[in-house]
Amino acid sequence: DAGVIQSPRHEVTEMGQEVTLRCKPISGHNSLFWYRQTMMRGLELLIYFNNNVPIDDSGMPEDRFSAKMPNASFSTLKIQPSEPRDSAVYFCASCFLAGGPDEQFFGPGTRLTVL
Amino acid sequence: AQKVTQAQTEISVVEKEDVTLDCVYETRDTTYYLFWYKQPPSGELVFLIRRNSFDEQNEISGRYSWNFQKSTSSFNFTITASQVVDSAVYFCALIGSSNDYKLSFGAGTTVTVRA
Repeated sequence: DAGVIQSPRHEVTEMGQEVTLRCKPISGHNSLFWYRQTMMRGLELLIYFNNNVPIDDSGMPEDRFSAKMPNASFSTLKIQPSEPRDSAVYFCASCFLAGGPDEQFFGPGTRLTVL
Repeated sequence: AQKVTQAQTEISVVEKEDVTLDCVYETRDTTYYLFWYKQPPSGELVFLIRRNSFDEQNEISGRYSWNFQKSTSSFNFTITASQVVDSAVYFCALIGSSNDYKLSFGAGTTVTVRA
């Protein structure tokens, strides 16, 4: 299995620009997570999908952030407009949830820098 | 509410020394799951272990061992005969049964193994 795939691996953009991060979960997994990692706040859950449906988006910082999962094999996290404080590493993770938690497998992350 | 505390911010050892990483957790759930993840300098998050709250047996995997003690709400991790490749940030995390998808991460402990 290829594992969780994220693209791009690095993104540098200017303040105000739209940024789209992409994730392909592990085949067969029914749950997908977007996390953000910063020095100040550590690892934070942004949003969680189960069977392509957003279940918990309470971690999404503000309306500038949106996430979609149009099918079981693809998800996007969009920031529009981006701000310097959005600079962070964004991880996508997936697992199979069926009546109990399972280990989440993380992608390599996207390092976002907003100038 | 769930909380994971990793009191050690950084640990530096010389190769072949043993190193123990502390993890203390808080949860109101009677059933919960504990995890350790490794984040090497390359940045990806690598799953190491999952432990259920009703299984207090310690576990050993090669040079890694884990000591789970419910009485002290601790799930400590020991690397025996450390190697330079063990240099990484190690995260302890918790999922409670009342919220079976939400990983609560500790702040992480940076381990540096010097040759």
